Amino acid sequence: SQQGEEDPQALSIQEGENATMNCSYKTSINNLQWYRQNSGRGLVHLILIRSNEREKHSGRLRVTLDTSKKSSSLLITASRAADTASYFCATDKGTGYSTLTFGKGTMLLVSP
Amino acid sequence: DTAVSQTPKYLVTQMGNDKSIKCEQNLGHDTMYWYKQDSKKFLKIMFSYNNKELIINETVPNRFSPKSPDKAHLNLHINSLELGDSAVYFCASTYGGDSPLHFGNGTRLTVT
Repeated sequence: SQQGEEDPQALSIQEGENATMNCSYKTSINNLQWYRQNSGRGLVHLILIRSNEREKHSGRLRVTLDTSKKSSSLLITASRAADTASYFCATDKGTGYSTLTFGKGTMLLVSP
Repeated sequence: DTAVSQTPKYLVTQMGNDKSIKCEQNLGHDTMYWYKQDSKKFLKIMFSYNNKELIINETVPNRFSPKSPDKAHLNLHINSLELGDSAVYFCASTYGGDSPLHFGNGTRLTVT
């Protein structure tokens, strides 16, 4: 069954602006991961946050996790046209072998 | 030097035919997956193999049969193709645990 739900479904911003995407999930997790998918390509891992972490940074990316609300957010600061892609959150229940459940994604368009 | 490679990239075929998609990874990962991405970009796990052994088999029709000749390869054979099988199929691999998934660039299957 689907676990993550991203919000919004689509986001259009100008270069230099920040982009925030949200993800909600339903059951307990071991970790939550964010992936990017450029058009016609496979998904690329961006960042992982564990259930005992609240915030994580990687370059221009900032991820937060609120396990009490079962939600996460991905913030991309100072966006660039090259950030145009679909962004997916994926949850891992930690039940043994890594089994990620993906949301439907947020399509981000960054205009020059 | 592609880490996870799938062939073919595009596959157009008629209903009722049988087709195969091949996947190879040169990352030394033990676990490989097949995911299906539908037209709405929803990504759903189909199968997972760990060191040539099937560990995850989601509710996928029997017409789909994965085969892993060694831990670097995971192929997907589909019998009696149906219109609803049209999708993009992604192969992925990982070391397992909290390690991220590495995806191939997908095989776009169109059944006419």
